[in-house]
Amino acid sequence: EDQVTQSPEALRLQEGESSSLNCSYTVSGLRGLFWYRQDPGKGPEFLFTLYSAGEEKEKERLKATLTKKESFLHITAPKPEDSATYLCAVTRGGADGLTFGKGTHLIIQP
Amino acid sequence: DTGVSQNPRHKITKRGQNVTFRCDPISEHNRLYWYRQTLGQGPEFLTYFQNEAQLEKSRLLSDRFSAERPKGSFSTLEIQRTEQGDSAMYLCATTGRDNSPLHFGNGTRLTVT
Repeated sequence: EDQVTQSPEALRLQEGESSSLNCSYTVSGLRGLFWYRQDPGKGPEFLFTLYSAGEEKEKERLKATLTKKESFLHITAPKPEDSATYLCAVTRGGADGLTFGKGTHLIIQP
Repeated sequence: DTGVSQNPRHKITKRGQNVTFRCDPISEHNRLYWYRQTLGQGPEFLTYFQNEAQLEKSRLLSDRFSAERPKGSFSTLEIQRTEQGDSAMYLCATTGRDNSPLHFGNGTRLTVT
C-alpha cells in the first residue's frame, strides 16, 4: 500500500525565515510526486510535479526536490501570503489517482 | 479554462437524508476523480471516471455512495441515508492525461446533523 508521510505537521516561521518541508513516501513504481498548496475552505492548488530522482522545480520562493525516498519543499524568505497547508501526493499512474499525505500547516508571521 | 466547478459549496442535512453534489470539469479533461477530505487530513480517493466509464472505486466506499458521469461531461456524487461520519469536504478533480497534475474544484462542504 502506498504511504506518504509529511513532516512537520505544523510549522511557524517569521517572515524571511527560510525552511524546508519533508515528504517521505513508499510507493511501488512511482510515476510522479506532486506538491499542492491548500488555503482554508478551498481545494488544493497545484504547485509542482517531479518525475524522477534528482529532479528540481522552482517557482518564486518555492523549490521542490526529489530523491528515491523523499521530497523536500524549500521555502526561501517566506512572506505571510505563503501561509497555507502544503500537501504532497504520489501516483503509480492509472486509475488510482493520487495518494496524499496529511499536509504541513505553515504559518508565516509578519 | 474556467476551472473545475462544484455545487453546492455548502450543504447541511439531517442524518438519514440523501444528498447529491455536482462537479463540472475543465472541458477538455476526460479523467475525473472524487476525493473526500476531513479536518487535518489529506484528500482520500473515492472514485475515478475516464469519460463516462467508472473505472475504479475505493474499497472503503460504502454502498450508500454512488457516482455517475453521464456522457462523460459533468459528474454527480450521491450519498444515501447520510450519517454524521459523512461530514467532510467532497472534492472533485480532473485531468486530461495519465500522471498529469489533477486540477481541483473548491469542494462541497457537507455537514450532517
